[in-house]
Amino acid sequence: AQTVTQSQPEMSVQEAETVTLSCTYDTSESDYYLFWYKQPPSRQMILVIRQEAYKQQNATENRFSVNFQKAAKSFSLKISDSQLGDAAMYFCAYLWGAQKLVFGQGTRLTINP
Amino acid sequence: GAVVSQHPSRVICKSGTSVKIECRSLDFQATTMFWYRQFPKQSLMLMATSNEGSKATYEQGVEKDKFLINHASLTLSTLTVTSAHPEDSSFYICSATQDGGYGYTFGSGTRLTVV
Repeated sequence: AQTVTQSQPEMSVQEAETVTLSCTYDTSESDYYLFWYKQPPSRQMILVIRQEAYKQQNATENRFSVNFQKAAKSFSLKISDSQLGDAAMYFCAYLWGAQKLVFGQGTRLTINP
Repeated sequence: GAVVSQHPSRVICKSGTSVKIECRSLDFQATTMFWYRQFPKQSLMLMATSNEGSKATYEQGVEKDKFLINHASLTLSTLTVTSAHPEDSSFYICSATQDGGYGYTFGSGTRLTVV
């Protein structure tokens, strides 16, 4: 079964600094999708970034970028120029085929002003 | 972008009563919707997969007679918590997708409190 592991329950960063959230996953599939979702205090799940496994180029969305290492089954999220509004729970998720999303345990990110 | 509307956002009910939660895809058709439960400071736990026009598929350990799911149309799925008890108090979230690879859109969630 596919599993997703986020080994950092909590992270904190100074405003304007850069922070990296870790995620590893386990799968025997070669074609799949990976996502990072943000859940702010409102608890609305928001898609931050997605990566298609067959694309070697790392996805980027403004201040958010990923380091996708397929062989190592690693999918970390880098947030540059951290802002107070980035404070939230961040969930890494895996999707294969048309099946259900598999979520990691989450990382709570705190931004220190 | 794709929008999923979930109602109500908060509900308080008495023990033994039933509560219905609605999940609607507003600008796309969703043949499949998903229902999650989230405990405080924890990840999302998938409860069931809702398929339009057919029976829902429940995850192991989820009581299908307690959590009734109906997906009557391509834009509406409902979750009914029957004979609710305090231990059913939780945050329930639905999600839907047009094309799974592009990500799933989530509703804003429902906080259920059973007293």
